[in-house]
Amino acid sequence: DTEVTQTPKHLVMGMTNKKSLKCEQHMGHRAMYWYKQKAKKPPELMFVYSYEKLSINESVPSRFSPECPNSSLLNLHLHALQPEDSALYLCASSQESATGITEAFFGQGTRLTVV
Amino acid sequence: KNQVEQSPQSLIILEGKNCTLQCNYTVSPFSNLRWYKQDTGRGPVSLTIMTFSENTKSNGRYTATLDADTKQSSLHITASQLSDSASYICVVSDYTGNTPLVFGKGTRLSVIA
Repeated sequence: DTEVTQTPKHLVMGMTNKKSLKCEQHMGHRAMYWYKQKAKKPPELMFVYSYEKLSINESVPSRFSPECPNSSLLNLHLHALQPEDSALYLCASSQESATGITEAFFGQGTRLTVV
Repeated sequence: KNQVEQSPQSLIILEGKNCTLQCNYTVSPFSNLRWYKQDTGRGPVSLTIMTFSENTKSNGRYTATLDADTKQSSLHITASQLSDSASYICVVSDYTGNTPLVFGKGTRLSVIA
């Protein structure tokens, strides 16, 4: 199983809503990532979890709240988003390696639209 | 600053033709370089991953080359197919792990009949 599964595939939410994006992998990877991708732009790193602990937060606004309940799951809680937060949200995972040579697998993404 | 530059920005080729995409990087210390294919609205899919000691790696009709001295890589696509239409993203990882993955802006390839 080399899949990273993201749900939902599409999400439309209002600016006052609270929603969550979910990501799951069963490859035993200990590093998981959230990326945000706007149209025709490369993915931008948001958060990195390593061994279930937040290791990198790229100055993401607090309306985005990540959570890693266990080694297979990664959530992104959304609250009071703005229309400019509409984007494709990608989850990725990789095996931690002392040599840094790790294959990163991406999910299919959640297409988020904030109205 | 760690950067990955790709060229061309976009490319249109006829089905069956070959093409080569370029990637230059300034990521240091260098660990590995990957090429991903991304269909619109989908997640990136890995094509190849190369370390500094590897000069070339193939995956079907895709062949990637790496020159770690000049910090350049290329992705050659042979006998293109309509399904090759996608964005091709060059991604470089440093050795420290502080910058997990540095993404290029991608080359948008369109294969037409």
